[in-house]
Amino acid sequence: DIQMTQSPSSLSASVGDRVTITCRASQGIRNDLGWYQQKPGKAPKRLIYAASSLQSGVPSRFSGSGSGTEFTLTISSLQPEDFATYYCLQHNSYPPTFGGGTKVEIK
Amino acid sequence: EVQLVESGGGVVQPGGSLRLSCAASGFTFDDYAMHWVRQAPGKGLEWVSLISGDGGSTYYADSVKGRFTISRDNSKNSLYLQMNSLRTEDTALYYCAKAFGWWEIDYWGQGTLVTVSS
Repeated sequence: DIQMTQSPSSLSASVGDRVTITCRASQGIRNDLGWYQQKPGKAPKRLIYAASSLQSGVPSRFSGSGSGTEFTLTISSLQPEDFATYYCLQHNSYPPTFGGGTKVEIK
Repeated sequence: EVQLVESGGGVVQPGGSLRLSCAASGFTFDDYAMHWVRQAPGKGLEWVSLISGDGGSTYYADSVKGRFTISRDNSKNSLYLQMNSLRTEDTALYYCAKAFGWWEIDYWGQGTLVTVSS
């Protein structure tokens, strides 16, 4: 199975900060990676697909980059509604595997 | 608008069985593979199972293989997960999710809670 190592597991940031979250794959997965946001008590919502494509309706402050084994999700200017937990998902091969999650908290 | 509504969760004793359902709308159901994904309380996401659009292909996580069975009824736009020989570690919120392509997920339901406890 492909292991997805996500870091950091949590971070504290202020409104307006630039935030970067990383996922590393245990082997190359091309750009077969998505990023999801989950708020407490809610279902995950896809933000990014194909590593860097923005899901329709998602604010442009979210961006993704990377290919192969290293990927990043960047929030350019953190907004109050962005405080949530973020997960990556590799879908290159069976079984699909998630990163452990990054909880973004208010500083 | 894609809607996925899960039901069937509840409290069951270890060794027991439960059948989850997911009602889908807002898209051509039999055109898409479907997933089940679970989340233990306070934990991360774990993929459970996938079924192809025609139901002819199924895949499972090692942790549930031989105990869980995924199925679908395209005439009813419904997805199912039959869970047998349940263990305490199966306690989780179970999400139904629509595939984008094959292994990728684009939409999720709100989940149904399964608690395995004596």
